[in-house]
Amino acid sequence: ETGVTQTPRHLVMGMTNKKSLKCEQHLGHNAMYWYKQSAKKPLELMFVYNFKEQTENNSVPSRFSPECPNSSHLFLHLHTLQPEDSALYLCASSPDKFGQETQYFGPGTRLLVL
Amino acid sequence: GNSVTQMEGPVTLSEEAFLTINCTYTATGYPSLFWYVQYPGEGLQLLLKATKADDKGSNKGFEATYRKETTSFHLEKGSVQVSDSAVYFCALSVGAGNNRKLIWGLGTSLAVNP
Repeated sequence: ETGVTQTPRHLVMGMTNKKSLKCEQHLGHNAMYWYKQSAKKPLELMFVYNFKEQTENNSVPSRFSPECPNSSHLFLHLHTLQPEDSALYLCASSPDKFGQETQYFGPGTRLLVL
Repeated sequence: GNSVTQMEGPVTLSEEAFLTINCTYTATGYPSLFWYVQYPGEGLQLLLKATKADDKGSNKGFEATYRKETTSFHLEKGSVQVSDSAVYFCALSVGAGNNRKLIWGLGTSLAVNP
């Protein structure tokens, strides 16, 4: 039980679809993260939120749009994706951004873009 | 720049064999070093960490020693079990305060056969 949940666990979408990934943490943490995990590549940090404020956007294309309505919830809105966006999308949280190394991960959403 | 290099997998072992997964790094300053593990179908979990030279991190029978002279943080376990089958990620954190970053290795897949 990691305390971080993600839905859906699997998603197949066409390039013209709009979908959202949801992450919820039950750990009382203030920082939340989106990562992209692709085969044969290092884990890619996409976005960081600290106390609901976005503090990092690592040159992520605008077809990925994050939203953090409160410290417990994080969304990733997807639109007009490309096949190369197919990957495992991981959400993580930590007590605060200064403690970034001790992160708690959700199980991920496996995304396939057709 | 900062980087982490892990041995390529997959690593396949028989139960009760000795495990070593090599990890070397380059970093400015005094990084902290980590091993995360990802079991099938799950997110990453922190396995162990070391925050200064000569520290030994340990958990669940796994150990790793922070070797500054060889810039290494090799993961070892004396007797692996089938349940240790997973992907293992070496990582380092650099920077301070709000500029702290996590740098990830590519991951090493371990399969343990009964």
